[in-house]
Amino acid sequence: QKEVEQDPGPLSVPEGAIVSLNCTYSNSAFQYFMWYRQYSRKGPELLMYTYSSGNKEDGRFTAQVDKSSKYISLFIRDSQPSDSATYLCAMSAAGRRALTFGSGTRLQVQP
Amino acid sequence: GAVVSQHPSWVICKSGTSVKIECRSLDFQATTMFWYRQFPKQSLMLMATSNEGSKATYEQGVEKDKFLINHASLTLSTLTVTSAHPEDSSFYICSAPWTSGENEQYFGPGTRLTVT
Repeated sequence: QKEVEQDPGPLSVPEGAIVSLNCTYSNSAFQYFMWYRQYSRKGPELLMYTYSSGNKEDGRFTAQVDKSSKYISLFIRDSQPSDSATYLCAMSAAGRRALTFGSGTRLQVQP
Repeated sequence: GAVVSQHPSWVICKSGTSVKIECRSLDFQATTMFWYRQFPKQSLMLMATSNEGSKATYEQGVEKDKFLINHASLTLSTLTVTSAHPEDSSFYICSAPWTSGENEQYFGPGTRLTVT
């Protein structure tokens, strides 16, 4: 079993839709949670960074962490075609700064 | 956000030769940098942790004699793929934590290595 599970998609939505992306994990030591966006053949771009449980909002993006369920989510409101990319969840434990990534979800926003 | 650069962005080399990839933090100092490898349609897999002033630490299954890492300064880490083979063809990406206390990490744009 992988430490971090993420549905690879692809997930296809119409422009303007609310997108929900999720990851589950098994390592209870994970405390730092991140969402990255990666366009084809580019490096990952940090979208959201959260520590422990709770919600965080930044513009059209909302990240949620539920440590009791070992479940994290990223919501994208008013999705745009430019949001079409692969979204990677990543997490790390205290004292270990290297990241463990999910497999990535490919999102396609149709105009 | 912080800026991390990589050079080259794309390199083609012949089997048996060595290739050096540079990772630089442009607007902050990084005592630690990470090297990841990503195969097509797969996620990033950590290869090694680069530490300024000390030896790199490698993940299980990564050959340290094949993937040489040198953290020459607080803004530069290099990964040298020695005696490259076609199976080493991949997308190599470095990252660096933004501050010493947090774990917010920024990634370079990646280097695509093709070994013929």
